[in-house]
Amino acid sequence: DQQVKQNSPSLSVQEGRISILNCDYTNSMFDYFLWYKKYPAEGPTFLISISSIKDKNEDGRFTVFLNKSAKHLSLHIVPSQPGDSAVYFCAASGGSNYKLTFGKGTLLTVNP
Amino acid sequence: DAGITQSPRYKITETGRQVTLMCHQTWSHSYMFWYRQDLGHGLRLIYYSAAADITDKGEVPDGYVVSRSKTENFPLTLESATRSQTSVYFCASTEDRGPHQPQHFGDGTRLSIL
Repeated sequence: DQQVKQNSPSLSVQEGRISILNCDYTNSMFDYFLWYKKYPAEGPTFLISISSIKDKNEDGRFTVFLNKSAKHLSLHIVPSQPGDSAVYFCAASGGSNYKLTFGKGTLLTVNP
Repeated sequence: DAGITQSPRYKITETGRQVTLMCHQTWSHSYMFWYRQDLGHGLRLIYYSAAADITDKGEVPDGYVVSRSKTENFPLTLESATRSQTSVYFCASTEDRGPHQPQHFGDGTRLSIL
């Protein structure tokens, strides 16, 4: 049973436009959510996170939105740049647990 | 340099062989984790450790063994490798400042089992 779902395996966007990556979760105990970016042949790198007590967190071009009632979060990248082309993983954790549960990832391609 | 390093970066071995993947971090982080990344599955947790000599199973522990005699090292051993264990393996660590901390990843070991 997949607790964190990224239903879009890939997304293609033009440079300068907005990229929106989506993530759904099923476990009501999750209260902390993260996005990681991964380039080929490298490890995932932490991008941005949000606690369940918030509905929005912003860091430069990256904003994460959380809709707890829908168990849905999204990552907005504005404006998108070719260097943003990577696989983006959504992850979640709950309570006092240090473990992360990851989605399958979405490959973002930003075209010049 | 400070960080988390994995070795080897690439490994080819045969079924039935024992292979150990190494992970070393210089931050003195309490928590360390092993994941595998497979097409169609994302990242799945194999084992994790809360401190030296404390380890616990993750989502897919079968066929793997871990140890943590020192805080900075967290080796992962495949005692008798199988083709289904062909994967990319990532080690990660995080501080013990509460559960809402990001994990920091190494660059991975690509393991092929023939």
